[in-house]
Amino acid sequence: DAGVIQSPRHEVTEMGQEVTLRCKPISGHDYLFWYRQTMMRGLELLIYFNNNVPIDDSGMPEDRFSAKMPNASFSTLKIQPSEPRDSAVYFCASSLRQKDYEQYFGPGTRLTVT
Amino acid sequence: SQQGEEDPQALSIQEGENATMNCSYKTSINNLQWYRQNSGRGLVHLILIRSNEREKHSGRLRVTLDTSKKSSSLLITASRAADTASYFCATDATVPIEDSGAGSYQLTFGKGTKLSVIP
Repeated sequence: DAGVIQSPRHEVTEMGQEVTLRCKPISGHDYLFWYRQTMMRGLELLIYFNNNVPIDDSGMPEDRFSAKMPNASFSTLKIQPSEPRDSAVYFCASSLRQKDYEQYFGPGTRLTVT
Repeated sequence: SQQGEEDPQALSIQEGENATMNCSYKTSINNLQWYRQNSGRGLVHLILIRSNEREKHSGRLRVTLDTSKKSSSLLITASRAADTASYFCATDATVPIEDSGAGSYQLTFGKGTKLSVIP
């Protein structure tokens, strides 16, 4: 398997623009996670899905953020409108099960909002 | 907060030396995991240790867990320049989901120890 795939790897956009980040989890994994990493706050869980259903979105910072998982092989994280404080590295991870299982991380999308 | 905290924040050693990183956490756990992150890359799982285990080995890695002190350590023996990376501990917890009555099982990551191995 190719591992977790994320696109784009880098995104530079202007404040106010819509940004869409994409993720393809490892085939057969039931759980998908979206994280955000910054120097100040470290790695934060934004939302996770189980079998394509959002389970906990309490980490999503505000209504400007939304995530979908239309099928088992694809998920998106959308920011609309984007703001400079959204600049961070966004990771997608997947896991075969939830408890007591390792998570497999994608390479991340480095987002810069100017 | 359940968040684990790694110590030290940064560590610089010579190749061939051992590197020890520590993690402390606050509440009960089912397991604790260690991950590694190379610069500009995603995290890679290294090892998982369950709450009923005290020590675990994987190659040059040795992890210990002391649940009475709520702490764990990661030892890398005979370090190599390629071990240069950030190392994170992650603790699990089930937190209540507001307004749903259900529980959300999550991993919470510390801010990491940045290890530099000098050739």
